[in-house]
Amino acid sequence: DVKVTQSSRYLVKRTGEKVFLECVQDMDHENMFWYRQDPGLGLRLIYFSYDVKMKEKGDIPEGYSVSREKKERFSLILESASTNQTSMYLCASSLSGSNCEQYFGPGTRLTVT
Amino acid sequence: QKEVEQDPGPLSVPEGAIVSLNCTYSNSAFQYFMWYRQYSRKGPELLMYTYSSGNKEDGRFTAQVDKSSKYISLFIRDSQPSDSATYLCAMSARRTNAGKSTFGDGTTLTVKP
Repeated sequence: DVKVTQSSRYLVKRTGEKVFLECVQDMDHENMFWYRQDPGLGLRLIYFSYDVKMKEKGDIPEGYSVSREKKERFSLILESASTNQTSMYLCASSLSGSNCEQYFGPGTRLTVT
Repeated sequence: QKEVEQDPGPLSVPEGAIVSLNCTYSNSAFQYFMWYRQYSRKGPELLMYTYSSGNKEDGRFTAQVDKSSKYISLFIRDSQPSDSATYLCAMSARRTNAGKSTFGDGTTLTVKP
C-alpha cells in the first residue's frame, strides 16, 4: 500500500511564526504536491515537485515555500504565518508517468491565531 | 469563473439508491478525468481515472465522460452507508510531469440505512 504521512494532524501557531509541514512517502514516487483545502474553494495547488531539488509553483504559492532535499520528503514552509493561512493542508505523491493518480496523506489542520 | 464546477450538494439518499454525481468544466484541453472519495478527517483517495470520452465501470461505480458537453458523472449503484463521503472530481490536460490536476469543490453524500 502506498503510504503518505504528514508530520502533524493538528497544529496551532501564532501569527508571524515560521511553520514547517513535513510530508514523507514510501513508494519511491517522483512527484510530490502540496495542496490546501478550504470550504467553498476546494483543493488548491500550492507547489509541486517532480524531482529532488526541483519545484514548481502551483496556483497559490504566495506566502509559501517548499524544500525537497530527498526523494521521499517534501516540506512546506510558511515563512511568516498569517490568519488567512488557517486551512487543511494535504500532501500527495504520484509516479512521474501518472500525475493523475495521486495518493494523499491524511492532512494537517493548521490554525493560525 | 472556476475551470471545474461541481454540483454542490449535500446529497442524501436511502440505502440502495442510484447516485449521480456531476461536474462540468470549461477547459477543452482536459483529457484525464478522475474521481476521488474523501472520508471525514481523511485525505482523498483515488476511486476512478478515465481518459477522454466514454464510460468506465468498476464494481458499483461507473464514470462517464462527455467531452463534447464538457460534462462528467460518477454513478454509484446500490449505494451503501459506507459510500457516505465527499466526492471530488479532478481533471488534467497532461498525464506526465507538468500535468497539474484541477479539482472541483466536492459533493458530500450521505447514504441512510
